[in-house]
Amino acid sequence: AQSVTQLDSHVSVSEGTPVLLRCNYSSSYSPSLFWYVQHPNKGLQLLLKYTSAATLVKGINGFEAEFKKSETSFHLTKPSAHMSDAAEYFCVVRGSSNTGKLIFGQGTTLQVKP
Amino acid sequence: EAGVAQSPRYKIIEKRQSVAFWCNPISGHATLYWYQQILGQGPKLLIQFQNNGVVDDSQLPKDRFSAERLKGVDSTLKIQPAKLEDSAVYLCASSLAFRTRGGYNEQFFGPGTRLTVL
Repeated sequence: AQSVTQLDSHVSVSEGTPVLLRCNYSSSYSPSLFWYVQHPNKGLQLLLKYTSAATLVKGINGFEAEFKKSETSFHLTKPSAHMSDAAEYFCVVRGSSNTGKLIFGQGTTLQVKP
Repeated sequence: EAGVAQSPRYKIIEKRQSVAFWCNPISGHATLYWYQQILGQGPKLLIQFQNNGVVDDSQLPKDRFSAERLKGVDSTLKIQPAKLEDSAVYLCASSLAFRTRGGYNEQFFGPGTRLTVL
């Protein structure tokens, strides 16, 4: 069965410093992986997705993630944090059923300090 | 383009009461999803519709939860009777179809309904 583990429940960075949110996945085949962001009182928004094309995936708002099969990881990074990046981030894997079911990680809260 | 609409945004009820949530997907989206997000956890799929048919309801607690999408457009999710552990945010999402020749379609999420059961 497919699953994801987000290694940090809370990450705190200063504005202008790099962001690293860690995610490991478990899958019996080549997975489809996603990162979603959830701002308070707003809907989940897709940041980026990996679907077996390029291993380095670029998303919106300067975020990117690298798929590393040898490490079963899909970490999210951004070179320079903005205050507006403060939110909850979810690593997601698509399930094995033919319904395209999404399986979410527990989430990482990103705090950005001025 | 209008997004996924949900109402109400907040609901407070006492245990054993009933509650219903409404979702209007993006126009033209055939697939509709209901998720439950308990505080501190990621969303969990409860039920998935393709038009007005159920595709996956394996994680829906059917003894108390029900959902319908009668005309293949908007949908309601009902809890009867509610328990304390049902306190969560209920998210609705929609996509063009859950799969096309190009692969799976992106899901677009509504703002959610926050349910508190006292």
